[in-house]
Amino acid sequence: QKEVEQDPGPLSVPEGAIVSLNCTYSNSAFQYFMWYRQYSRKGPELLMYTYSSGNKEDGRFTAQVDKSSKYISLFIRDSQPSDSATYLCAMSSLNYGQNFVFGPGTRLSVLP
Amino acid sequence: GAGVSQSPSNKVTEKGKDVELRCDPISGHTALYWYRQSLGQGLEFLIYFQGNSAPDKSGLPSDRFSAERTGGSVSTLTIQRTQQEDSAVYLCASSLDETYSNTGELFFGEGSRLTVL
Repeated sequence: QKEVEQDPGPLSVPEGAIVSLNCTYSNSAFQYFMWYRQYSRKGPELLMYTYSSGNKEDGRFTAQVDKSSKYISLFIRDSQPSDSATYLCAMSSLNYGQNFVFGPGTRLSVLP
Repeated sequence: GAGVSQSPSNKVTEKGKDVELRCDPISGHTALYWYRQSLGQGLEFLIYFQGNSAPDKSGLPSDRFSAERTGGSVSTLTIQRTQQEDSAVYLCASSLDETYSNTGELFFGEGSRLTVL
């Protein structure tokens, strides 16, 4: 079992749809959870960061962490064509050194 | 420049040749990471530098891979005797300090795309 698994996609949705992106993980020590967005042929950029369980909202984006289920989600409301990218979940813990573990990514296409 | 700079952006080499990939982090960032991203795969951790501490080399896949960071700034990743399975995008990231690293505030370069024929 991989340490972090992510819905493989690709995912195509119409503009304005609500998008749900999900990751599951196996290491209960993870405390920091992140979502990165990566446009084609670019480096990843941090989109959302949460610590431990709970929700965090930033504009059209909401990140959820459920540590009891080892499950994290990113919701995108009113999706736009500019949201078309690959979304990578990542996680780490203080006991994991300085390493982050990344999911394989989900490619999202928002069709106008 | 304002961001993390990597060179070359693309490198095509023949199997068995050595390659060097360069990363120029954001000025003042003390932490520097190298990752490898293969098609359809997540980011694979390779090596981590933090200030003057000994680097964390635990992710290097073989002794053909090495990296150094001179003067706490520019880093070079060297792959000796390249193999076809080394073909990937090599991403460099930097962050301000250890605390910021743990919050995921990694700033990535655009990567060096390596193709080994």
